[in-house]
Amino acid sequence: GQNIDQPTEMTATEGAIVQINCTYQTSGFNGLFWYQQHAGEAPTFLSYNVLDGLEEKGRFSSFLSRSKGYSYLLLKELQMKDSASYLCAVRDRPSNAGNMLTFGGGTRLMVKP
Amino acid sequence: DTEVTQTPKHLVMGMTNKKSLKCEQHMGHRAMYWYKQKAKKPPELMFVYSYEKLSINESVPSRFSPECPNSSLLNLHLHALQPEDSALYLCASSQEPVSVSGNTIYFGEGSWLTVV
Repeated sequence: GQNIDQPTEMTATEGAIVQINCTYQTSGFNGLFWYQQHAGEAPTFLSYNVLDGLEEKGRFSSFLSRSKGYSYLLLKELQMKDSASYLCAVRDRPSNAGNMLTFGGGTRLMVKP
Repeated sequence: DTEVTQTPKHLVMGMTNKKSLKCEQHMGHRAMYWYKQKAKKPPELMFVYSYEKLSINESVPSRFSPECPNSSLLNLHLHALQPEDSALYLCASSQEPVSVSGNTIYFGEGSWLTVV
């Protein structure tokens, strides 16, 4: 089975830096994704980690430690439009059946002026 | 083009109606998915199609019937739904069904379904 935990809500100030943590306990692991989802919209892909370390993409960075079952998403220079839910998702082991993702509960981030 | 297109965006149906949700992608992806998402909850997998064949059914009730007419299209046929089936239905696709490095799943904008 899969167990993926992330904080339910976070609040941060415009221009600041925020770190959203995700811990996972899974029977298999073949990569961890972060998605952003604005209310009423579909999730959009932010980042992907399969090896340990930091992946940087502009204002967004994601870190993975497989030995600790831990990832974080770092958002810099926060903007009001970053207010959204951030979903951590783990991909099962490779299989011929499908590219399965199991999602955490999501972290609702509110950016305040 | 990294788009997954879903229609309709909003659907209201009665419990005796028959309706369909449609999904289309032109990225040459060979795996397509239906997810269901209730308010303030993460998406939950319903079905996976791999090379146009149903490969995973996550114990979804038979009132939901998926169909994959070709590699670009995925339908979800709805019949005799219940009010608790009201949710956002997300279609997604990925290049390959087999997990390979960087094989991202792309989501459509979703279809909001209300069952009255």
